[in-house]
Amino acid sequence: EAGVAQSPRYKIIEKRQSVAFWCNPISGHATLYWYQQILGQGPKLLIQFQNNGVVDDSQLPKDRFSAERLKGVDSTLKIQPAKLEDSAVYLCASSLERQATYNEQFFGPGTRLTVL
Amino acid sequence: AQSVAQPEDQVNVAEGNPLTVKCTYSVSGNPYLFWYVQYPNRGLQFLLKYITGDNLVKGSYGFEAEFNKSQTSFHLKKPSALVSDSALYFCAVRDMSGNTPLVFGKGTRLSVIA
Repeated sequence: EAGVAQSPRYKIIEKRQSVAFWCNPISGHATLYWYQQILGQGPKLLIQFQNNGVVDDSQLPKDRFSAERLKGVDSTLKIQPAKLEDSAVYLCASSLERQATYNEQFFGPGTRLTVL
Repeated sequence: AQSVAQPEDQVNVAEGNPLTVKCTYSVSGNPYLFWYVQYPNRGLQFLLKYITGDNLVKGSYGFEAEFNKSQTSFHLKKPSALVSDSALYFCAVRDMSGNTPLVFGKGTRLSVIA
């Protein structure tokens, strides 16, 4: 079974530039998550999709971050404009979850973003 | 609000010795509890979870964890540590109501010394 795919693996940009990350979840997984992991901290949920609908985006900084999952499969997370404090690893995860919130999540390798 | 505490930033253990990585949690209702492991330059991998039932949960690679409701703890254990167990371990909690996200602790770095 193929895992969660993410690209790019690394990205270096200057502040005020824009950047986009892509994620392809495990086939058949209804739920997709984007997390931000700052060095020395645990992952923090940015947004959760179920199919192509947003379930939770309460921690997404909507003035600069956006995400979409148009066909209920792959997803894109965008930052525009980037700030220094956005430097982090951005993790995508997926799960079978529909009603069962106890399903484990499967994580991709992440995209390491450095904002200079 | 949900929260997870992993009181140790680093745990060092000799190969072959038992290991424990500590985790305590706070939720308003009943918890779903998870342990994940992160190897360098790789995403998090699921180890085990507690949903309900038996308080001792067995997972991948010989790891187990014990749910203790009175102490609100979910410590990760392994009877005999391997050098290859060296990694970053995260405890996570989610309220059974399902209306809240999975919340992670800050992680504990385990170092197993040969």
